[in-house]
Amino acid sequence: GQQLNQSPQSMFIQEGEDVSMNCTSSSIFNTWLWYKQDPGEGPVLLIALYKAGELTSNGRLTAQFGITRKDSFLNISASIPSDVGIYFCAGQGGSEKLVFGKGTKLTVNP
Amino acid sequence: ETGVTQSPTHLIKTRGQQVTLRCSSQSGHNTVSWYQQALGQGPQFIFQYYREEENGRGNFPPRFSGLQFPNYSSELNVNALELDDSALYLCASSLDGDRNQPQHFGDGTRLSIL
Repeated sequence: GQQLNQSPQSMFIQEGEDVSMNCTSSSIFNTWLWYKQDPGEGPVLLIALYKAGELTSNGRLTAQFGITRKDSFLNISASIPSDVGIYFCAGQGGSEKLVFGKGTKLTVNP
Repeated sequence: ETGVTQSPTHLIKTRGQQVTLRCSSQSGHNTVSWYQQALGQGPQFIFQYYREEENGRGNFPPRFSGLQFPNYSSELNVNALELDDSALYLCASSLDGDRNQPQHFGDGTRLSIL
């Protein structure tokens, strides 16, 4: 099935460091979303972006909708141990379905 | 807590059997989407139901079918189970199938096929 190109695949960082991950697509999307998934749970929405060029923050998280509508990035500032998990980007075009990346697994060392 | 509940949480079946998974959407949401998440992968769209009608389908065979009820809860049915059907099945609810109303996920049903 279709998937977005998400990188990096995994990250190992120290508590307090900043994190950046991104997602690219060969297709244009009208909406970009970022989710976090913890083991044994479903994805939880972090940030939704609806307009090309839009930059949105949610606490220590900041995400941007690329101007070409084919990419997005997520930054996490001053990471803490509870940031551990798998982060997924998802794009939504003119249809109802979300297309997901393969995820970025984040490990934070105290 | 998203308010989206799925049952059962875990299920073990054998090849060839049939399974029904259930989802209750968040209060006020009339749209339910189903996704399959294989280990180490992102979720893959199966189909969406909006006001009891199928509103789009991904690249899954006809043995994957669904229903949505008047209270907007939903079922995913899979016939003739295959080993590759082992996965986490996620349900997401939203309002009006609108891209400006994000999808909120339940915690999924872990299906294992022996």
